[in-house]
Amino acid sequence: AQSVAQPEDQVNVAEGNPLTVKCTYSVSGNPYLFWYVQYPNRGLQFLLKYITGDNLVNGSYGFEAEFNKSQTSFHLKKPSALVSDSALYFCAVLPPSGNTPLVFGKGTRLSVIA
Amino acid sequence: SQTIHQWPATLVQPVGSPLSLECTVEGTSNPNLYWYRQAAGRGLQLLFYSVGIGQISSEVPQNLSASRPQDRQFILSSKKLLLSDSGFYLCAWSVWLREGLTGELFFGEGSRLTVL
Repeated sequence: AQSVAQPEDQVNVAEGNPLTVKCTYSVSGNPYLFWYVQYPNRGLQFLLKYITGDNLVNGSYGFEAEFNKSQTSFHLKKPSALVSDSALYFCAVLPPSGNTPLVFGKGTRLSVIA
Repeated sequence: SQTIHQWPATLVQPVGSPLSLECTVEGTSNPNLYWYRQAAGRGLQLLFYSVGIGQISSEVPQNLSASRPQDRQFILSSKKLLLSDSGFYLCAWSVWLREGLTGELFFGEGSRLTVL
């Protein structure tokens, strides 16, 4: 069965510093991978996805994510954090067979400090 | 473009009362539809999903039920609410290999239910 792990409940970073939110996955075959962001009392917003091709994918709000097949990771990154990036971030995986519900990680709360 | 509407945004209900949350999608056809619950601002719990009218898959046995009376309408219901039903309920849709999409979910703005 497929699974997603977000090993950090909380990530704190100073404004202007680079940020990384970690995600590892377990799935048979080549997965589809996604990142979502959730602001307080809002629905989840789609940030970016990896399907195939370049290991570095660009998404909304200046975020990017790096797919690493050997490490089964899909870490979310941003070169310079903003206070407004503070939110809850979810990683999700879809198995190659597709058309089934996404499997979500438990979420990582990012706090960017001015 | 596709949009998703979910209502009501907030709801305060007494224990034992019924519940109906509604979700509609516009701008696409035959989407997969989902209901999630989120407790205490953390992880997501998939409650129900549907791949077509009248087709409902239940992921967690509980006090809730779902129905899909029309292609783009998804309803979450309960006959008698429990305190433990309190939470943030999210509706979402997806399509697979159509419209340039590959199964990613698009979420509504959520419904916050407080059971007293």
